[in-house]
Amino acid sequence: GAVVSQHPSWVICKSGTSVKIECRSLDFQATTMFWYRQFPKQSLMLMATSNEGSKATYEQGVEKDKFLINHASLTLSTLTVTSAHPEDSSFYICSVSPPGTGDGELFFGEGSRLTVL
Amino acid sequence: AQTVTQSQPEMSVQEAETVTLSCTYDTSESNYYLFWYKQPPSRQMILVIRQEAYKQQNATENRFSVNFQKAAKSFSLKISDSQLGDTAMYFCAFVTNSGYALNFGKGTSLLVTP
Repeated sequence: GAVVSQHPSWVICKSGTSVKIECRSLDFQATTMFWYRQFPKQSLMLMATSNEGSKATYEQGVEKDKFLINHASLTLSTLTVTSAHPEDSSFYICSVSPPGTGDGELFFGEGSRLTVL
Repeated sequence: AQTVTQSQPEMSVQEAETVTLSCTYDTSESNYYLFWYKQPPSRQMILVIRQEAYKQQNATENRFSVNFQKAAKSFSLKISDSQLGDTAMYFCAFVTNSGYALNFGKGTSLLVTP
């Protein structure tokens, strides 16, 4: 199956700093990647859709200035949490739908746990 | 609105027994795809099984099978011969042909006991 790699898997930062999370598609080129956020024991909430070569599409209620998404290449999307605060602490997961599958199946990265002190 | 409802927050089953996780969804579209994903303690999301809405035959993957009732918009997951490694959160999800990302239910936490 497709391999999606996320880095870092766990990051702790001080309040007010910015944190960058990388999502790489290792097996194929991805024009679209999805970023989800998951609170403890809760479901995955779609934050934004990352589009290569254009601006990301954010879901309602997600602050685009807080969560900066850059789809730098066909294999890399980054999520930067700017001026992080404790309420931003969460599990962030990226996912990719390989081209040609046609059924919307997503392959997920390992996730990144962010803890803001 | 497109929603997914998993009405069982937690379930428990003994090893080797069978358990069924329920899922209902709501969409006005006729073409869509349904999925069950498993999230073990490692938190890596793993695809368990998928179903195309236009197929009447229920999907099966080894010990995992679904009961897809399109008219009722129901998509339950049956796990046969449960194993300790099946302990995980299970998420039901779907995507329509006009959509672009999966809609997830709130999940069911399944515990398999010896």
